[in-house]
Amino acid sequence: QSALTQPASVSGSPGQSITISCTGTSSDVGGYNYVSWYQQHPGKAPKLMIYDVSNRPSGVSNRFSGSKSGNTASLTISGLQAEDEADYYCSSYTSSREVFGGGTKLTVL
Amino acid sequence: EVQLVQSGAEVKKPGESLKISCKGSGYSFTSYWIGWVRQMPGKGLEWMGIIYPGDSDTRYSPSFQGQVTISADKSISTAYLQWSSLKASDTAMYYCARLVHSSSWYLDYWGQGTLVTVSS
Repeated sequence: QSALTQPASVSGSPGQSITISCTGTSSDVGGYNYVSWYQQHPGKAPKLMIYDVSNRPSGVSNRFSGSKSGNTASLTISGLQAEDEADYYCSSYTSSREVFGGGTKLTVL
Repeated sequence: EVQLVQSGAEVKKPGESLKISCKGSGYSFTSYWIGWVRQMPGKGLEWMGIIYPGDSDTRYSPSFQGQVTISADKSISTAYLQWSSLKASDTAMYYCARLVHSSSWYLDYWGQGTLVTVSS
């Protein structure tokens, strides 16, 4: 069982917006502003999409945004594109280590 | 350009030992922690542990403490993950990644992964 809880799957049509939730506890998500999100396409290494809750690395589309409220963080992807279809993982700092969510498979219909 | 290049795929038998590597380039290798992440077939990401090559300070996830050893050789900008006695359940893809930890905490650059297959 993963430390952080994510929905197993979400889907949306091209152009729509979707949100993926990531629920933890006050010891991880709720206790630090160190939530990050990773995108993983099949057979590829994960790629950082959001760090420190809501910051985007250089080169990541501004269609990706992150937020947090209490013990739940969220990743929103607006203007869905076919290339966004992938697995998404949240993670959070806790006690000198990182914990991951179980992953969410995004399907673009 | 920051790069982490991992060693190639391995096929081993149960009980054998193994050491895989992760070579960093394009940045000061001794100034960033390196993390190791496991991904079992069809499963999610699991945090294994981190090492600071500058002084070899190492921290393990409780799930992996005693199961693997993380080390580094700063003279050749390389981090390692090793097993003394592999089990079939160690079959997985293993990724190294650079950890940004100064007033932040995230893995910004990842290696391409090393597939470890343990089978009799």
